[in-house]
Amino acid sequence: AQKITQTQPGMFVQEKEAVTLDCTYDTSDPSYGLFWYKQPSSGEMIFLIYQGSYDQQNATEGRYSLNFQKARKSANLVISASQLGDSAMYFCAMREGAGFQKLVFGTGTRLLVSP
Amino acid sequence: SAVISQKPSRDICQRGTSLTIQCQVDSQVTMMFWYRQQPGQSLTLIATANQGSEATYESGFVIDKFPISRPNLTFSTLTVSNMSPEDSSIYLCSVLLGTDYTGELFFGEGSRLTVL
Repeated sequence: AQKITQTQPGMFVQEKEAVTLDCTYDTSDPSYGLFWYKQPSSGEMIFLIYQGSYDQQNATEGRYSLNFQKARKSANLVISASQLGDSAMYFCAMREGAGFQKLVFGTGTRLLVSP
Repeated sequence: SAVISQKPSRDICQRGTSLTIQCQVDSQVTMMFWYRQQPGQSLTLIATANQGSEATYESGFVIDKFPISRPNLTFSTLTVSNMSPEDSSIYLCSVLLGTDYTGELFFGEGSRLTVL
């Protein structure tokens, strides 16, 4: 079974609008971390935001927020006030368990921001 | 945070040759990871490189094809051996800062290999 599922191959959004990128995960471990990374066309992976399974509040980092719904096992990324520079691939990833550092990535969502 | 430098950033290689990718970190880290990203695909972990011990390879990856060195806590190399066009990918080095599941994974800029 897929550990991380991103069902949106591509998303379009107009500049200054908000956009939600979906991510669902599958784990039976109560301890896990969820990550979102941005990959521009240049190829580097840029860390955006992190949510721990025991965190009580949704994570926020500037224009990025994570809509964490634990019961539904979803960790959607919300980008507010989209900018042209947000056009990139976005990957959701998960690390399971205490002391287990392997990060498993979803297939990614390509976001295109139009003027 | 960590600054991770990878060399080369990109290369075009001939079939049957080998290429070594270097990864330098600006701080000492226990765990380093090598990922592969084939064109249009997600990231797949190749191996975990710990200093002073042999790398731990994921299913589908073997040491003869992807030998890894980890001579100290700030440096690692990944060699892609006997390359074929199927090895054309971005290879990314990453390091873990923090502990357990709360640690953040930082990535290098990636090495984009094209095999002809």
